[in-house]
Amino acid sequence: GQNIDQPTEMTATEGAIVQINCTYQTSGFNGLFWYQQHAGEAPTFLSYNVLDGLEEKGRFSSFLSRSKGYSYLLLKELQMKDSASYLCALHSNSGYALNFGKGTSLLVTP
Amino acid sequence: EAGVTQFPSHSVIEKGQTVTLRCDPISGHDNLYWYRRVMGKEIKFLLHFVKESKQDESGMPNNRFLAERTGGTYSTLKVQPAELEDSGVYFCASSQDYSVYGYTFGSGTRLTVV
Repeated sequence: GQNIDQPTEMTATEGAIVQINCTYQTSGFNGLFWYQQHAGEAPTFLSYNVLDGLEEKGRFSSFLSRSKGYSYLLLKELQMKDSASYLCALHSNSGYALNFGKGTSLLVTP
Repeated sequence: EAGVTQFPSHSVIEKGQTVTLRCDPISGHDNLYWYRRVMGKEIKFLLHFVKESKQDESGMPNNRFLAERTGGTYSTLKVQPAELEDSGVYFCASSQDYSVYGYTFGSGTRLTVV
């Protein structure tokens, strides 16, 4: 297994910044995904990191450090609609499969 | 473009019955995947089709599960006979090629076995 760990729940205030961490233990992978999933809806793609470093896309940024087995998703200028589950997933290097963490449920409060 | 469509959205069946889930991928996507999330666990990979061929079925739990993709278009996942532990949300996803940006998920089918 790849032992992907994320905090179960987080709460943050509207307008603030929140960082959702993901740690993993694996012998190798192609890249790391972050997905957003609102209750009862499909997971939707947020970011994909292949190389170490920061990928920025609007209010969302994702960071990867392969040597540390660590990634984070940074959400800026939080909005109420950002309340959702955020899923960290490793892209297997032996096929197309994604290996997911259990997800972090983020609640944005006024 | 239309997204990945799954049917039904919810299904409640009794233990021992058969259920068939359907997935319509985005038109033109050769790659189709099935995933499952059981209560309290992470989303887990079940299998991967390239067109009508099973590329990887390493995640299929046991032989009560049968996936097909005749003609390389829509796919079905049949559970026969269903057991209580099969309850969960079954997601389908599709992608056009190896581009990892193209994984588009459906909203899932929530299966409850009672």
